[in-house]
Amino acid sequence: TAGITQAPTSQILAAGRSMTLRCTQDMRHNAMYWYRQDLGLGLRLIHYSNTAGTTGKGEVPDGYSVSRANTDDFPLTLASAVPSQTSVYFCASSDEGTSLNEQFFGPGTRLTVL
Amino acid sequence: GQSLEQPSEVTAVEGAIVQINCTYQTSGFYGLSWYQQHDGGAPTFLSYNALDGLEETGRFSSFLSRSDSYGYLLLQELQMKDSASYFCAVNAGNMLTFGGGTRLMVKP
Repeated sequence: TAGITQAPTSQILAAGRSMTLRCTQDMRHNAMYWYRQDLGLGLRLIHYSNTAGTTGKGEVPDGYSVSRANTDDFPLTLASAVPSQTSVYFCASSDEGTSLNEQFFGPGTRLTVL
Repeated sequence: GQSLEQPSEVTAVEGAIVQINCTYQTSGFYGLSWYQQHDGGAPTFLSYNALDGLEETGRFSSFLSRSDSYGYLLLQELQMKDSASYFCAVNAGNMLTFGGGTRLMVKP
């Protein structure tokens, strides 16, 4: 079982360009999340989705948008990238039927905005 | 909002016991989780406490005191592979808020 996959693994992006980070899970989890982790710091929640068709804002949503058209996919879009969005982005999922607290993380996307 | 505090760095020797503390302030509270993250890797779930007391999972234990807004992760019989960052996280509703992480260095 793959769990959660993210693409790309890493990306260098020019400021002002748009980009979509992809996230797919095969565990049929209802809830999915996007976090950013800056060097040496903890994870900060960007957006979340409790179930397909719904999304919500996390701690640092500005500059990002998400969609949840189906259970498996939860893409994150940067409409116009800025250097402060340089970070490692982790997608995660959880089965709220068991425990919100056990979140399963993807391998991350390392994004550099120049 | 939520805020969590944990030490930035802890060093211990192989075979020893180490305790990583976490204090939190939150407007709502359902439980405290702990995650491990090796350099370059993804966070992985270690434990969860919803009620006061100690939860044990092998060499790792986690403790919670809701009245003190305090918890800790206890790692016993430290191994070199335990060198990693450890994050506490508060569940205050439909999302987790993570602390800044504690970098544990295990020395021979």
